[in-house]
Amino acid sequence: DIQMTQSPSSLSASVGDRVTITCRASQTVSHYLNWYQQKPGEAPRLLIYAASSLQSAVPSRFSGSGSGTDFTLTISNLQPEDFATYHCQQTYSSPHTFGQGTTVEIK
Amino acid sequence: QVQLVQSAAEVKKPGASVKVSCKASDNTFSYFGITWVRQAPGQGLEWMGWISAYNGKTKYAQKLQGRLSMTTDTSTSTAYMDLRSLRSDDTAVYYCARDVAARLGELNYLDSWGQGTLVTVSS
Repeated sequence: DIQMTQSPSSLSASVGDRVTITCRASQTVSHYLNWYQQKPGEAPRLLIYAASSLQSAVPSRFSGSGSGTDFTLTISNLQPEDFATYHCQQTYSSPHTFGQGTTVEIK
Repeated sequence: QVQLVQSAAEVKKPGASVKVSCKASDNTFSYFGITWVRQAPGQGLEWMGWISAYNGKTKYAQKLQGRLSMTTDTSTSTAYMDLRSLRSDDTAVYYCARDVAARLGELNYLDSWGQGTLVTVSS
């Protein structure tokens, strides 16, 4: 199975900050990498698919980059509604494993 | 966007089975896949498996093989997840999600999610 490792596991940031979350795969996943946002008590929500494509209706302050084994999710100009947990997922090969999640907290 | 509505919470004893349903709101159901994901309390997301609503093909996580079954009923746009021989570590919120690809190996991603079904396994 492909292992997905996110860093950091959690971070504290302020409204207006630029935040970067990293996801590393144990072997190449090409561009088959998705990002989801999850708020407490809610289902995850798709933000980015295919490493860098922004899902419809997702604000443009969210962006994704990377290919192969190293990927980043960047949130520019962090907003109050962005405080949540972010998950990466590879769909290069099954099982379509997730990272352990990164929680973005208010500083 | 399609809505996925899941069945209500369940409480089961160890060794029992649970069947969770996931009904889609539109008639495009058979063009996509359905992935099931679970999340134990305070933990991350765990991919359980995938079923194509197009042709019924399935792929399960190895650790759940033998206990897990996924089916679909295209006449009612409903997917089902059946987990047998339940253990306490199966306690989790179970989510269904629509996979935009009808086949594995295509550009798979999960664009709509159900609200989640809490399954509690306790004696």
